[in-house]
Amino acid sequence: QAVLTQPSSLSASPGASASLTCTLRSGINVDPYRIYWYQQKPGRPPQFLLGYTSDSHYQQGSGVPSRFSGSKDASANAGFLLISGLQSEDEAAYYCSIWHSSAVVFGGGTKLTVL
Amino acid sequence: EVQLLESGGGLVQPGGSLRLSCAASGFSFSGYHMSWVRQAPEKGLEWVSGISISGGTTYYADSVEGRFTISRDNSKNTLFLHLNRLTTEDTAVYFCARNLETFDSWGQGTLVTVSS
Repeated sequence: QAVLTQPSSLSASPGASASLTCTLRSGINVDPYRIYWYQQKPGRPPQFLLGYTSDSHYQQGSGVPSRFSGSKDASANAGFLLISGLQSEDEAAYYCSIWHSSAVVFGGGTKLTVL
Repeated sequence: EVQLLESGGGLVQPGGSLRLSCAASGFSFSGYHMSWVRQAPEKGLEWVSGISISGGTTYYADSVEGRFTISRDNSKNTLFLHLNRLTTEDTAVYFCARNLETFDSWGQGTLVTVSS
């Protein structure tokens, strides 16, 4: 089982909100981890969006709009990227990552379609 | 403006070697940890390696441990990745990125193709 699991795809309508999920493997407690989120558009390098540990330990990427936000849910053992007011330009692949056992682990990525 | 410019990619035969470089500018290179991340064609991101500010501590993914070596030259603001014993599974775009965890700046990437 992968350390981080993301749904492969998600669709949402313009103006709506989308919640992207990053689930940690059973046995790895989400609580102490900072979960990082990246956006990647075709043919482009990834862009750092944010890092979320808690509401008081939060890092927004430079120039990243506030409609991108993070959260965690201990009961789901998962981190979330919340995108409000979806725009066509938000259509991209989104990756989560954590620092785990002296290594960076990425999730498999979620392809977000805005239609 | 932070800039990271990778070079050194190309076509190499299985079992071959390659050295990638990443020239940094626009920030104090010697004050940041640095990393390499790769992306195989039509696949997701895979972290490869990281290096501390001084170069004294290095980290590797299990998939490249013992074959790849990360290093840096702070006097030349340059990050390196030496790739040895390459296999077709190493075919990917290799990105250099600033920091060990929070990859807040990325280069455009350099393509490594391993094929006979």
